[in-house]
Amino acid sequence: DAKTTQPPSMDCAEGRAANLPCNHSTISGNEYVYWYRQIHSQGPQYIIHGLKNNETNEMASLIITEDRKSSTLILPHATLRDTAVYYCIVRAPGTSNDYKLSFGAGTTVTVRA
Amino acid sequence: EAQVTQNPRYLITVTGKKLTVTCSQNMNHEYMSWYRQDPGLGLRQIYYSMNVEVTDKGDVPEGYKVSRKEKRNFPLILESPSPNQTSLYFCASSLSGLYSPLHFGNGTRLTVT
Repeated sequence: DAKTTQPPSMDCAEGRAANLPCNHSTISGNEYVYWYRQIHSQGPQYIIHGLKNNETNEMASLIITEDRKSSTLILPHATLRDTAVYYCIVRAPGTSNDYKLSFGAGTTVTVRA
Repeated sequence: EAQVTQNPRYLITVTGKKLTVTCSQNMNHEYMSWYRQDPGLGLRQIYYSMNVEVTDKGDVPEGYKVSRKEKRNFPLILESPSPNQTSLYFCASSLSGLYSPLHFGNGTRLTVT
């Protein structure tokens, strides 16, 4: 499995875009990038995932570099409710490791008024 | 409403007294999993189940048991709880493996004295 590296914490201003980086330099061709977030001890929440094309949904945008070694989750207009721990993971569907997953420490994002 | 329901939300018990934390999902998901979360350690997978009667160990299975007799239910059993099992526990489910987004319950905060 490709491992991911995220900064432990970051701040952003309310109303501004929050850009959350994730490094996955050992990603293989069939591995997808997934993002989840966890708001203050609630159950984690799925945000978005992608393979190589940029993806956008109602919550966020995911930008994956052309070499796929890194990605950025973009929260376009951060609000105080976006304060959370954000987890970046990579998985390959349909492989023997498709079922086993622990989450790392993630990035603690604090949105400030 | 599609959801993963865990019970109880809070539980205080004593060392050695068997307990069960229930988890139920109403989305007909094949995959279910249990996690524990401790400060600074992210979410670590305890056990997972790919389908009825199919379970396997995650990263931290010691001291826990699970069963999957029905598709919707995946209880976590602590036969002889110890203080080091004091933690926040989450149940999760997905349509099929980790390729599909995981849906998490609201958590069970367990204290073993």
